[in-house]
Amino acid sequence: SAVISQKPSRDICQRGTSLTIQCQVDSQVTMMFWYRQQPGQSLTLIATANQGSEATYESGFVIDKFPISRPNLTFSTLTVSNMSPEDSSIYLCSVDASTSGRYNEQFFGPGTRLTVL
Amino acid sequence: AQSVTQLGSHVSVSEGALVLLRCNYSSSVPPYLFWYVQYPNQGLQLLLKYTTGATLVKGINGFEAEFKKSETSFHLTKPSAHMSDAAEYFCAVSAVKTSYDKVIFGPGTSLSVIP
Repeated sequence: SAVISQKPSRDICQRGTSLTIQCQVDSQVTMMFWYRQQPGQSLTLIATANQGSEATYESGFVIDKFPISRPNLTFSTLTVSNMSPEDSSIYLCSVDASTSGRYNEQFFGPGTRLTVL
Repeated sequence: AQSVTQLGSHVSVSEGALVLLRCNYSSSVPPYLFWYVQYPNQGLQLLLKYTTGATLVKGINGFEAEFKKSETSFHLTKPSAHMSDAAEYFCAVSAVKTSYDKVIFGPGTSLSVIP
């Protein structure tokens, strides 16, 4: 299985500022995903990040608000830009486990808890 | 398109009692089905999954689930609840395809275990 770490684990930010969340995987993976989990709710996919190509964003999410980088097969970043209190959520990074032979299964990072004041 | 519903946003059971968490799905194509668990302040961890073959799937920590196509259900059970089972449980679905398909998560069920 893949081991995924995220930095920071939590942060409290002022509205109007930006925060970049890092996701590091201990093995090379093709597909990485960023999810948002608002308080008491399920996971909503923000975007899919493949190395060497632009991220694919889901409906309701735009690159200007959530720019994503994927410089190599083990690392990705998600930036939450011009934050407002509505952005207060847990942000989760995950990877496709298909390289491990577990098709459509995902491994998840521990999440980043963001509070915007 | 796929969707998932979970009956009961919160379930409480006594320690040692049967755990039953309900999941129904909608899919226009054969589905892959998953149960993930999220412990407090942690990411999600796969409990079990159904792909093809045997409809009764066994997972980690004594959990199992049965795929019932006629009922479009994938309910999660455990014969005897333990205090450590208290967590949030998510049912998820994706389509069976030759390439990766997006996973759709249900709204989640919070399980409380009463001593």
